[in-house]
Amino acid sequence: TQLLEQSPQFLSIQEGENLTVYCNSSSVFSSLQWYRQEPGEGPVLLVTVVTGGEVKKLKRLTFQFGDARKDSSLHITAAQTGDTGLYLCAAGGSNYQLIWGAGTKLIIKP
Amino acid sequence: DAGVIQSPRHEVTEMGQEVTLRCKPISGHNSLFWYRQTMMRGLELLIYFNNNVPIDDSGMPEDRFSAKMPNASFSTLKIQPSEPRDSAVYFCASTRGGNTEAFFGQGTRLTVV
Repeated sequence: TQLLEQSPQFLSIQEGENLTVYCNSSSVFSSLQWYRQEPGEGPVLLVTVVTGGEVKKLKRLTFQFGDARKDSSLHITAAQTGDTGLYLCAAGGSNYQLIWGAGTKLIIKP
Repeated sequence: DAGVIQSPRHEVTEMGQEVTLRCKPISGHNSLFWYRQTMMRGLELLIYFNNNVPIDDSGMPEDRFSAKMPNASFSTLKIQPSEPRDSAVYFCASTRGGNTEAFFGQGTRLTVV
């Protein structure tokens, strides 16, 4: 069974601090996606990484795909209150389905 | 494009009643997914369709749950009879072609009392 484990499950930090959240698996994936979900809304795709070692930046967010394509990290620099939300990673399974991590709930305090 | 549209946004019903959730995928997307999200279990895939055909319904919890996709622009998820443990947020998502990047609706928050 392919599993994605996200850590930490919960993170609460002050505005302006940096943070990193992780998505790990024992399986190799062809691609991995990160989504952010705000309260009362559905998940919204942030980025897709496909190449081992790939780094993508989205403003203050930096996404990295592990060299072996088994893990990924999301680093936020100078967090803002607008970054608050549930961060989910997902990877391609069989038949175009996605395998989902349980998410990291991030709270940025003003 | 308006994105994936779900209705209703909120549903409160009594145990034993039939509940129907509706979804309109993004035009041109040929795969549609129904998910259920709870605090305890996170995001669970219930069923997905490709070109209107159900491909995998192994996530449907019980026979009380059924889903249909009569055409490319509409799908329903029905629970009959509903039970309190069905209370959750139900999401519909769609994807295009062989791409796994999913676009979600805003969800339906179902409360069964």
